[in-house]
Amino acid sequence: ETGVTQSPTHLIKTRGQQVTLRCSSQSGHNTVSWYQQALGQGPQFIFQYYREEENGRGNFPPRFSGLQFPNYSSELNVNALELDDSALYLCASSPYATGANEQFFGPGTRLTVL
Amino acid sequence: GQQLNQSPQSMFIQEGEDVSMNCTSSSIFNTWLWYKQDPGEGPVLLIALYKAGELTSNGRLTAQFGITRKDSFLNISASIPSDVGIYFCAGRDGGSQGNLIFGKGTKLSVKP
Repeated sequence: ETGVTQSPTHLIKTRGQQVTLRCSSQSGHNTVSWYQQALGQGPQFIFQYYREEENGRGNFPPRFSGLQFPNYSSELNVNALELDDSALYLCASSPYATGANEQFFGPGTRLTVL
Repeated sequence: GQQLNQSPQSMFIQEGEDVSMNCTSSSIFNTWLWYKQDPGEGPVLLIALYKAGELTSNGRLTAQFGITRKDSFLNISASIPSDVGIYFCAGRDGGSQGNLIFGKGTKLSVKP
């Protein structure tokens, strides 16, 4: 069974640029959630995708957007990067979108905005 | 908005000692999860709790879902050096559509 994978591992961008992060869900999981983890903090929910549609969103601006593909993999896109966007971006997959369920995390993408 | 208070923020313990940490919420949760995160990695799920009062073990780890549904506890017995890391509690309420709310973490350091 393959776990959650993310790419790239690290990324350096400059302010104003755009970035795309990718995630492959764990085998058998159809739901993907994205989180932002600033240094020294717990992960903060960005949004969740289920059946290729956004299924809930946290307190993040519209320049954070996403996609889910038929194979359940997902992308996180961030436009007009700001310095405060520097963080570890985590993807988590789960077998169900709602109800009691566990989310399994990938290793994350470390984004640095200069 | 909902907040999770996790304590202690950090702790140093002697190898072999037992460890306790807890999380409290400003609102009721119907799911509590405990994760461990090592440097440069994503959080790893340790224990999941779904019922008030539930007590669940995973090896040397034991977690409880508080009966008020606003708190949870994690205990580690006979700590070893590989227990070092940051432990996060996370919760979900019945109204959320999938998002987990995380505490700020408890950093555990063990003296060999």
